[in-house]
Amino acid sequence: GQQLNQSPQSMFIQEGEDVSMNCTSSSIFNTWLWYKQDPGEGPVLLIALYKAGELTSNGRLTAQFGITRKDSFLNISASIPSDVGIYFCAGIYGGSQGNLIFGKGTKLSVKP
Amino acid sequence: ETGVTQTPRHLVMGMTNKKSLKCEQHLGHNAMYWYKQSAKKPLELMFVYSLEERVENNSVPSRFSPECPNSSHLFLHLHTLQPEDSALYLCASSQVRWGSEAFFGQGTRLTVV
Repeated sequence: GQQLNQSPQSMFIQEGEDVSMNCTSSSIFNTWLWYKQDPGEGPVLLIALYKAGELTSNGRLTAQFGITRKDSFLNISASIPSDVGIYFCAGIYGGSQGNLIFGKGTKLSVKP
Repeated sequence: ETGVTQTPRHLVMGMTNKKSLKCEQHLGHNAMYWYKQSAKKPLELMFVYSLEERVENNSVPSRFSPECPNSSHLFLHLHTLQPEDSALYLCASSQVRWGSEAFFGQGTRLTVV
């Protein structure tokens, strides 16, 4: 079945540093999504990518849809304490609803 | 008002109890989903409703029973659960179209004792 490999699983960074995480798959996706989940809350959509090669920013966040359609990355610039949380990538394949699968998440911890 | 609202936020139930989780979306979407999130596990899709019809049931035990009375409301009826069913249950909604992103509720933290 479809699988997403998200890395790293966790990371500790110093406040002000840039962060990079990615998702890869052996399958092709039509849409890539990046979510952030705070403890005890539901995931919140950060960025949606719809076209191969697309590069989209949302404040300090930048995400790209890989040219091969099999990967995506998320960068966070100048991290701050409120960036702490779990970041999930998700990919949509096929043309029908329900074909949305998630990576296992990257847990981000920031040292103040 | 938030786009997708789940109630209750927290629920503790015994193994012989019957309870229901509720989800309501105010986004005009026509697809709704139930996900289960356990510690150290990825999000697991449980059920999908599209245009009020169930289109997916990922081998979920029958002690979980979904109901979608209309495009804005989704329920998950629970009965005779097991302690391993304790998890965060998330509802999401989307539009039924190519590549449509899903929006999540805040989740219900369920503890089965």
